[in-house]
Amino acid sequence: AQKITQTQPGMFVQEKEAVTLDCTYDTSDQSYGLFWYKQPSSGEMIFLIYQGSYDEQNATEGRYSLNFQKARKSANLVISASQLGDSAMYFCAMRESGNFNKFYFGSGTKLNVKP
Amino acid sequence: DADVTQTPRNRITKTGKRIMLECSQTKGHDRMYWYRQDPGLGLRLIYYSFDVKDINKGEISDGYSVSRQAQAKFSLSLESAIPNQTALYFCATSDWDETEAFFGQGTRLTVV
Repeated sequence: AQKITQTQPGMFVQEKEAVTLDCTYDTSDQSYGLFWYKQPSSGEMIFLIYQGSYDEQNATEGRYSLNFQKARKSANLVISASQLGDSAMYFCAMRESGNFNKFYFGSGTKLNVKP
Repeated sequence: DADVTQTPRNRITKTGKRIMLECSQTKGHDRMYWYRQDPGLGLRLIYYSFDVKDINKGEISDGYSVSRQAQAKFSLSLESAIPNQTALYFCATSDWDETEAFFGQGTRLTVV
């Protein structure tokens, strides 16, 4: 079974609007971490936000927030007030504490922000 | 200077050649990883190392080997490159509490 599922291969959003990128995960660990990374066309991986499984509040970092629904095993990324520079691939990732701390990545969502 | 540096950034090599991708980090982290990225597949783990004496296979280690020369250096080798190893390769490091993984800029490898 896939550890991380991102069901949206591509998405469009109008500039200045908010957008939600979906991510669901599969783990039996009680302790795990969830991550979002941005990959612009230049190829580098840019860390955006982190949510620990024991964190009760949703993580926020500037315009990024992580909508963490533990019972549903979802960790959606919300980008508010989209900007043209947000156009990129976005990857959801998980680290399981019980599985030698390996990182698992989803297949990514390509976000295009329209002017 | 980048915290995690990969060399080379781009490489074209012929089938059957041996090639080494190098990674060095200034974060002082013990944990280092090699991933490959293919369109539609995300990042898949090739090898990982939790300290200099620890090397572990990831999901797709066949056809690859690694060497952890020092805490700061982790190299990936393709002993006999084949075309389906054409991909974008990333090195990453993380601290013991794993709240963030830091990535290198990636190495785009093409095997012809």
